[in-house]
Amino acid sequence: DAKTTQPNSMESNEEEPVHLPCNHSTISGTDYIHWYRQLPSQGPEYVIHGLTSNVNNRMASLAIAEDRKSSTLILHRATLRDAAVYYCILRVSGGGADGLTFGKGTHLIIQP
Amino acid sequence: DGGITQSPKYLFRKEGQNVTLSCEQNLNHDAMYWYRQDPGQGLRLIYYSQIVNDFQKGDIAEGYSVSREKKESFPLTVTSAQKNPTAFYLCASRKAGGDSNQPQHFGDGTRLSIL
Repeated sequence: DAKTTQPNSMESNEEEPVHLPCNHSTISGTDYIHWYRQLPSQGPEYVIHGLTSNVNNRMASLAIAEDRKSSTLILHRATLRDAAVYYCILRVSGGGADGLTFGKGTHLIIQP
Repeated sequence: DGGITQSPKYLFRKEGQNVTLSCEQNLNHDAMYWYRQDPGQGLRLIYYSQIVNDFQKGDIAEGYSVSREKKESFPLTVTSAQKNPTAFYLCASRKAGGDSNQPQHFGDGTRLSIL
């Protein structure tokens, strides 16, 4: 599986935008970029996914570089409830073994 | 509300005993998964099942067994052969079909401690 690289931790202030980076320089043409987040003592929660174009949903936006070697998850206005570990995951569409490959993710700290 | 229920939330067992973790979903999803998470680490795939009566090993299946007799249920047994079973266990499910990018839905996990 192609690998992703994320910072171990990031800190932001409440009500400010947060940009969480992810590098995936070995991404292949069929890999989708998925983001999940995990609050303390809970299971992960799906956030967003995309292939080439930028994506928006009610939780976040996903900005994908033109060469697809990196992407950024954007939380437009962070709240204390957004404090979690955020995982950037590559997923092959339509083939290969099932299941998600999680790295260590980015621990996002939100200051009030 | 539809979702995934894992029980119990905390489980304690003596060394050498088998223990079964429950996972039930009412989302009508075909695919179900078991992951293990150790402190400060990401999740690792133990087993997955894409259809009733069929399942495949994931990356760390040794010392674990599963069954999938019903669509709603995917219990995981941690056997005495698992050398280091103390961990946080997470069950997930997703709609099957051609698009493997359907998101996975996770339960809230079972924390297993071996005494």
